Parts: sequence; structure tokens; C-alpha cells
Amino acid sequence: DTAVSQTPKYLVTQMGNDKSIKCEQNLGHDTMYWYKQDSKKFLKIMFSYNNKELIINETVPNRFSPKSPDKAHLNLHINSLELGDSAVYFCASSIQRYYGYTFGSGTRLTVV
Amino acid sequence: AQSVTQLDSQVPVFEEAPVELRCNYSSSVSVYLFWYVQYPNQGLQLLLKYLSGSTLVKGINGFEAEFNKSQTSFHLRKPSVHISDTAEYFCAVRAGFQKLVFGTGTRLLVSP
Repeated sequence: DTAVSQTPKYLVTQMGNDKSIKCEQNLGHDTMYWYKQDSKKFLKIMFSYNNKELIINETVPNRFSPKSPDKAHLNLHINSLELGDSAVYFCASSIQRYYGYTFGSGTRLTVV
Repeated sequence: AQSVTQLDSQVPVFEEAPVELRCNYSSSVSVYLFWYVQYPNQGLQLLLKYLSGSTLVKGINGFEAEFNKSQTSFHLRKPSVHISDTAEYFCAVRAGFQKLVFGTGTRLLVSP
């Protein structure tokens, strides 16, 4: 019944590794987002996809690559992980012409 | 581009006291305003939103907010808080179909 689900919930990995975070929504929304929340709780958008098309691509290192196989899924792949990538990553979805976002419960990434 | 300022990083309050969390925004176009709550180690939950119409908006858990266009504010209020209201509260603004931009958050600390 979870509306926006992310896996894994926790991810601990070493520097230099490559990892992926998956997100799925069952709300029928057409737009999905990735947000990063840093240690000071600041939330910043990273990417947005509308019907599998990239529509927002903020200033993010190109080690981060989103992929949307269909409008219900948006995955985030991170190459060559760095200590500074440690954060909580939130997936969200919305109907583009409706103004509220529904957020997942987050993935806490710790790079050691 | 739109921006949001949450003036208080932390607001301590005693249980059953009233509380106001302040939010000011900046935008050159009409905006839609939101308040989200984040309980410890959880995702973001929508408390309330202003899209149009009545400037006083009621949300979940007894919270309400008032949109003041002349003062570009959207302050969140609750007449009597509970221990369980302890959480991080985020104000967010969206200009049309643009991305949702968050403030830096206000930590509400309710003590007995």
C-alpha cells in the first residue's frame, strides 16, 4: 500500500564504490524527483522526470545518473562514491499539473 | 526564481502552549505554498497547502497557516502543541510548474 517506496532504506558503502537506489510509486503520478537532504537537513532537488523524460537536472556531479524505465520508477545510480555523498536521498512524485509532492521515506547513504 | 526563508532554526515550546513557525517567500510570480513535517528518521509528510482561495488553510494534526501576500509570508500555527509534534518543519514554495523549493527547516522541540 506504500505510495512511494525506496530501497534500500540504509546503505553503507566504501569510497569509490558504485551503488544504486530504487524508487517506485503506485499513485499514477507522471512526474518523479530525487532530492538530497544533507546533514543540516537542507533539501535540494537533484533531478526530475516527467513521463520518462528528464525535465530538471540541477548542478549535480555527473557521477550521479538517474534512470526512469517507466513513469512509475525512477532509479538513482552513483559512481565512484565520495565521503561528501553521505546524505539522505528522497524520492518524490506528483502529477505535474497538481501541486503537491508525495515523498518516500528516504535512503540514508553513508560512505566510509 | 523563488526562494523560502525560515527565520527560526529551532523553536522550543512547552506542551499545550501555542506555537508559530515563520516562513517568508520570494517570487516574481504567483506561488503555491506548502508545509511539510519530518519526524525523526522518517520521510516528509504534507501538513497543508495553499493553492488559491481562502488565505487561512487548515491542515492535519490541528495545524493551520495563513497566506499573507502583502507580507509574502505563510506562517504555521497550532494553538496547543503536544510532545508528539516534536519534529522538523519545512516550508516550501512552488511557482507554477517549477520545482518545489524548500526552506532550511525549523526544529520544533516540545517539552513537558
